[in-house]
Amino acid sequence: DAKTTQPPSMDCAEGRAANLPCNHSTISGNEYVYWYRQIHSQGPQYIIHGLKNNETNEMASLIITEDRKSSTLILPHATLRDTAVYYCIVRADTGRRALTFGSGTRLQVQP
Amino acid sequence: DTEVTQTPKHLVMGMTNKKSLKCEQHMGHRAMYWYKQKAKKPPELMFVYSYEKLSINESVPSRFSPECPNSSLLNLHLHALQPEDSALYLCASSPNRVAKNIQYFGAGTRLSVL
Repeated sequence: DAKTTQPPSMDCAEGRAANLPCNHSTISGNEYVYWYRQIHSQGPQYIIHGLKNNETNEMASLIITEDRKSSTLILPHATLRDTAVYYCIVRADTGRRALTFGSGTRLQVQP
Repeated sequence: DTEVTQTPKHLVMGMTNKKSLKCEQHMGHRAMYWYKQKAKKPPELMFVYSYEKLSINESVPSRFSPECPNSSLLNLHLHALQPEDSALYLCASSPNRVAKNIQYFGAGTRLSVL
């Protein structure tokens, strides 16, 4: 699976959009971008994933650049409950099922 | 129900003890996982079970012994652990397909080895 690079930490004001970047410049054509988050003392939680088109669900939006070398997770209206470590994971939908977590971004939502 | 239940939530054990961690899911998932997470680090894969058979062992020491007695249960048997084994142990499950393999995690068992 391709390696990802994320900023170690970010702050966001409550009610504002949180934009979390992820660089995956070595991504292959069959690799998806997955986002999970881990709130303190809980297990990781799936947020969203995509291949090349932008995706939106009830939790977030995922914007993938046209060359697929980077992506941005957008939380449209961040709340204090969104404070967590966010993991961007690139994974092929063939072969190994397990997730390889990078260091992630620690998002702190400020009141 | 998208819940993965892990028991106990906390466990303290001595280096000579034998204990077990339990994980349960009722989503019909046929793939189950154990991850280990040290403080301030990301989760690291330990084992993967597929259709109740061990499919991946990430070179985990034999003092950790996984068991999958049926499609809903996953155990991790612990024996003669070391203090450096203290960590959060996470269980996850997913449909046994590779495509769109979304994993659902339990809250973990926080293990302290004295």
